[in-house]
Amino acid sequence: GAVVSQHPSWVICKSGTSVKIECRSLDFQATTMFWYRQFPKQSLMLMATSNEGSKATYEQGVEKDKFLINHASLTLSTLTVTSAHPEDSSFYICSAIKFGGDTDTQYFGPGTRLTVL
Amino acid sequence: EDQVTQSPEALRLQEGESSSLNCSYTVSGLRGLFWYRQDPGKGPEFLFTLYSAGEEKEKERLKATLTKKESFLHITAPKPEDSATYLCAVHRSGSARQLTFGSGTQLTVLP
Repeated sequence: GAVVSQHPSWVICKSGTSVKIECRSLDFQATTMFWYRQFPKQSLMLMATSNEGSKATYEQGVEKDKFLINHASLTLSTLTVTSAHPEDSSFYICSAIKFGGDTDTQYFGPGTRLTVL
Repeated sequence: EDQVTQSPEALRLQEGESSSLNCSYTVSGLRGLFWYRQDPGKGPEFLFTLYSAGEEKEKERLKATLTKKESFLHITAPKPEDSATYLCAVHRSGSARQLTFGSGTQLTVLP
């Protein structure tokens, strides 16, 4: 199988604090991981591409200094929401690429629900 | 620019009532078309990858097909546990493994 975990599954924090979300590929190595954000009843919005050992690539409109991404190993990527504000409240989902076959398959984590008070 | 359009936005079926979900796409050089299932409050669960027109894949009550312009997800004799949002996504050749997602079809199967 291909299992991706996220931690925590939900977090509530005060405005102005920072929150770190971990994404792990449990049974395969992933040189590439992605971070998405999803609003209620909407599809996934890609925030950034995380590559092991190099800087993340951010999508247009996503603030690099606000959403810090670190991909320090082949099984772990972290997303830190710095100085969080209520508008950052959302469902954050990561995915990891598993190589094989004719193309690469993205396997998703269970998501992290962030609520900023 | 890659585009993925899913229809209908929402679909309500009676248990046992078969139907199809549509995914129309525009992409320059399709490398793969993916179907995912997403339950509320959870991450998407991988279902199928289709690579070329004419290809079909099956899993339990689900069957995915692909043409040069669209993909269908056929649901045969659905059960209430099939209720979920079904997402379609395309992977373009030459892209950095990024997927372009459709907005999804929310399926509700009534007992």
